[in-house]
Amino acid sequence: NAGVTQTPKFRVLKTGQSMTLLCAQDMNHEYMYWYRQDPGMGLRLIHYSVGEGTTAKGEVPDGYNVSRLKKQNFLLGLESAAPSQTSVYFCASVSPSYNEQFFGPGTRLTVL
Amino acid sequence: KQEVTQIPAALSVPEGENLVLNCSFTDSAIYNLQWFRQDPGKGLTSLLLIQSSQREQTSGRLNASLDKSSGRSTLYIAASQPGDSATYLCAVPRGANNLFFGTGTRLTVIP
Repeated sequence: NAGVTQTPKFRVLKTGQSMTLLCAQDMNHEYMYWYRQDPGMGLRLIHYSVGEGTTAKGEVPDGYNVSRLKKQNFLLGLESAAPSQTSVYFCASVSPSYNEQFFGPGTRLTVL
Repeated sequence: KQEVTQIPAALSVPEGENLVLNCSFTDSAIYNLQWFRQDPGKGLTSLLLIQSSQREQTSGRLNASLDKSSGRSTLYIAASQPGDSATYLCAVPRGANNLFFGTGTRLTVIP
């Protein structure tokens, strides 16, 4: 039982490049989230999904897009990366029984 | 708007000491509170989840309490060990299934 996994673990992009971060969970959770973590800012919600085929904006959605084509996967896309998107990105899924969140190990992204 | 505060931002203690980490929140209309641990360069690991109907939860050397009326939660760590060194985050629900996070307390346990 892998829980929540994220790929890649690290990535360096040049300004204007695009990429997709993949989050996968094997716990059959409906709700999944993408956060970014920046020094002094804590974790901030980018986008979330309450089920397959649905997505919604979080606190800081600009510059990001998401898709939830399969229940177990939640993809975060950067169409044109900017240095302000340098951050650590975390994915999480939520247990429906106690609303307990389970996090992936994170993706460290640097945009030059 | 909910605000979650954790004080102190950093704490150093000698090994073996008992310690308390604090979490304050401004909106007491929460249905649970979750404590996480984050090791450097790693993700968040859920430690304890307290439902609003509970006053405390225990797991091994960890004990978390919740006082909704005063907007406070504490995480008590007994007999601290160097392996407890990490950043500890508390979080309360935001909307249906999202979380407000505190900025964390960075704990260092000195051997």
